Amino acid sequence: AQTIHQWPVAEIKAVGSPLSLGCTIKGKSSPNLYWYWQATGGTLQQLFYSITVGQVESVVQLNLSASRPKDDQFILSTEKLLLSHSGFYLCAWSRLGRSSYEQYFGPGTRLTVL
Amino acid sequence: AQSVTQPDARVTVSEGASLQLRCKYSYSGTPYLFWYVQYPRQGLQLLLKYYSGDPVVQGVNGFEAEFSKSNSSFHLRKASVHWSDSAVYFCVLLTGNTGKLIFGLGTTLQVQP
Repeated sequence: AQTIHQWPVAEIKAVGSPLSLGCTIKGKSSPNLYWYWQATGGTLQQLFYSITVGQVESVVQLNLSASRPKDDQFILSTEKLLLSHSGFYLCAWSRLGRSSYEQYFGPGTRLTVL
Repeated sequence: AQSVTQPDARVTVSEGASLQLRCKYSYSGTPYLFWYVQYPRQGLQLLLKYYSGDPVVQGVNGFEAEFSKSNSSFHLRKASVHWSDSAVYFCVLLTGNTGKLIFGLGTTLQVQP
């Protein structure tokens, strides 16, 4: 069975400090990977997607960047946090191919920027 | 334009009552539609999906949804709700072939004992 892990579970960071959030998928090779952001009490917005190692596409500009250093790993980062970065960050994966488009979400990382 | 509208921000029902959560979508192509549920401070879980075929699709925990092309709708239903169904429900539209999901604003369901 596939499992998706996100780390850390929660972070409290200062404005202007760097950030790195991680996501790992186990039990599935070559998944599509996605990062989503959810403002407190709000809906979800896709930030990035990746279909292969080393390739990441940006969907929304939020002064964040993403990388996929390994097939099963997706990293979200920034060098300088803004107050507006606070929220819930979710990683998701999906299978390749037209037969299955549903995405499966990780448990999320709650970020508070002060 | 591609969009998903959930007109009800909050729905309150009594335990054992039936439920319908409404969803309207706007998309020029073939819609792939989903309902996800989010329990407090957790990630999202897939309830059900519609790709094609029978417009009524069954999901987990007794949920079902009905797709209507003429009404551009994908309403979620359950015959008898339980207190544990209290959560936020998102109607979601898949667009394109890069996995971009368009989320509705969500409907918070509160089930009263």
